[in-house]
Amino acid sequence: AQSVTQLGSHVSVSEGALVLLRCNYSSSVPPYLFWYVQYPNQGLQLLLKYTSAATLVKGINGFEAEFKKSETSFHLTKPSAHMSDAAEYFCAVQGGGADGLTFGKGTHLIIQP
Amino acid sequence: DAGVIQSPRHEVTEMGQEVTLRCKPISGHDYLFWYRQTMMRGLELLIYFNNNVPIDDSGMPEDRFSAKMPNASFSTLKIQPSEPRDSAVYFCASSFMGTQYFGPGTRLLVL
Repeated sequence: AQSVTQLGSHVSVSEGALVLLRCNYSSSVPPYLFWYVQYPNQGLQLLLKYTSAATLVKGINGFEAEFKKSETSFHLTKPSAHMSDAAEYFCAVQGGGADGLTFGKGTHLIIQP
Repeated sequence: DAGVIQSPRHEVTEMGQEVTLRCKPISGHDYLFWYRQTMMRGLELLIYFNNNVPIDDSGMPEDRFSAKMPNASFSTLKIQPSEPRDSAVYFCASSFMGTQYFGPGTRLLVL
């Protein structure tokens, strides 16, 4: 069984500040991990994915995430927030490489001007 | 590439009516997934197909829900009869080599 916990349903940062969105996972097999972003009334867009290669994964729009097996974490970061980053962010885990995704509850990122 | 296409984008129906949601996956993708998103339960996997064959339908909430994939280019999710608690956004996603690409979703409201 797999599960994902996203700490903080809402995160607010100032424009230009560091963005840190937390994700912890539980998986009985070596996981594939994903971050997706969802803008209002749109589908999910892939930000980045971890598939057991490099532990630091770089994605689109300046985001990156680090896989830490010892902490079962896959936190998402961006050095400098932009107003356009305001959206809902979902962490997801996948087992076996071909199964469906198990999603966290999501974190709503708010950017303060 | 047009991405995953879903229709309709919005659907309003009355309780008891049949609802059919449609999905066209990205050409060449061999997996197709149906998800449901609600405020209460978040994003849930309903069913997925590999090469048009249903693999896991354990997420389908009730017998009122059914899904088919008659060919590699088309899938349907049907709810019959629909109930107000089925109101949600339904997403279709397709994948090749493990990365899933999502459609824009169908927003369903059952009155």
